Amino acid sequence: ILNVEQSPQSLHVQEGDSTNFTCSFPSSNFYALHWYRWETAKSPEALFVMTLNGDEKKKGRISATLNTKEGYSYLYIKGSQPEDSATYLCAWKPSSNTGKLIFGQGTTLQVKP
Amino acid sequence: KAGVTQTPRYLIKTRGQQVTLSCSPISGHRSVSWYQQTPGQGLQFLFEYFSETQRNKGNFPGRFSGRQFSNSRSEMNVSTLELGDSALYLCASSYDRDGYTFGSGTRLTVV
Repeated sequence: ILNVEQSPQSLHVQEGDSTNFTCSFPSSNFYALHWYRWETAKSPEALFVMTLNGDEKKKGRISATLNTKEGYSYLYIKGSQPEDSATYLCAWKPSSNTGKLIFGQGTTLQVKP
Repeated sequence: KAGVTQTPRYLIKTRGQQVTLSCSPISGHRSVSWYQQTPGQGLQFLFEYFSETQRNKGNFPGRFSGRQFSNSRSEMNVSTLELGDSALYLCASSYDRDGYTFGSGTRLTVV
């Protein structure tokens, strides 16, 4: 079974805290790793598409790293704000020949003011 | 630039009925994928259409089907609805199958 695992399942932090989440995926086949941010009642918003081992991407206070050899990616949020409260999803794409993304269950972040 | 539009937003159907959901992709995007999210489950891949052809299919029964029109709009059909089909259905469009933009989803309730 080829699963994508995310941890932790949920996280509660105070405003200003920095936090990070983990996404684990099978290292045997790899084409891309996607990160999405999903707020309640909205559509998932693309954060990063990562394709190369050692990739590091940054968007404002959010950054992500990728290790394809060991099959994991980290998402970091620096100085969390209440507006960062959302579910963060990662999705593994094993091949360029498919449009199928295999999603993890997500990490739900709550940032308290 | 208009995003991905899904209609309707909410739908209530009775067991045994069928339902059709619609997805209008971003202009110029040729790929449309469909996903199902049920309580406690992550997003599960249903199928992908690319240039009017089904390219990939997830592990769902034959009651789930879809199609794509020449303007790239896609429809998803579920026949003989079951209570377990109650879910949020999301579609995503892509130009090159490298980046995906999601719609807001259709929330289907089967009673």
